[in-house]
Amino acid sequence: SQTIHQWPATLVQPVGSPLSLECTVEGTSNPNLYWYRQAAGRGLQLLFYSVGIGQISSEVPQNLSASRPQDRQFILSSKKLLLSDSGFYLCAWSGGLYRFFGPGTRLTVL
Amino acid sequence: QKEVEQDPGPLSVPEGAIVSLNCTYSNSAFQYFMWYRQYSRKGPELLMYTYSSGNKEDGRFTAQVDKSSKYISLFIRDSQPSDSATYLCAMSSNTGNQFYFGTGTSLTVIP
Repeated sequence: SQTIHQWPATLVQPVGSPLSLECTVEGTSNPNLYWYRQAAGRGLQLLFYSVGIGQISSEVPQNLSASRPQDRQFILSSKKLLLSDSGFYLCAWSGGLYRFFGPGTRLTVL
Repeated sequence: QKEVEQDPGPLSVPEGAIVSLNCTYSNSAFQYFMWYRQYSRKGPELLMYTYSSGNKEDGRFTAQVDKSSKYISLFIRDSQPSDSATYLCAMSSNTGNQFYFGTGTSLTVIP
């Protein structure tokens, strides 16, 4: 069966610091991978998606970036965090139409 | 106009009640309809999925799609405190190129 991991689970970072969140998927090959952000009391905002190694599509302009160095690894990064980057970051994968989410990373920027 | 509209609630019901959660949409291209359940501080989990119109039942949960009205529902029978969560609807076109989530409805089942 497929499993998706995210780490860290929680993160508190100062404004202006860098960010690296990691997501890995087990039990499947060549998945589509997604990064979502969920702000408090708000819906899911799609940030990036990837259909293959090195292929990244951005849905919203911002100071975040994503990379996919391996088939089942997806990384979300920032060079300098803003207060507005706080939120719950979710990685998801799909092998077809349905999307399956990881446990999430709660990021607080102070 | 949003692709998917969902009442955020919150919705509070007594244990044992029947719960009805709903979403409306405007895009006729949507063919696949999903419900996700998200417990507090956890990732959403796929609860039910249906294709096109009709009903699908899984235990205490029933998903219903009315494409003519562009309206989908999730019914929970004999609701339990463990059903307390946020429920998100989601919809997709056949190719998956158009995939949208509702904003979620917060449900609390009171013992």
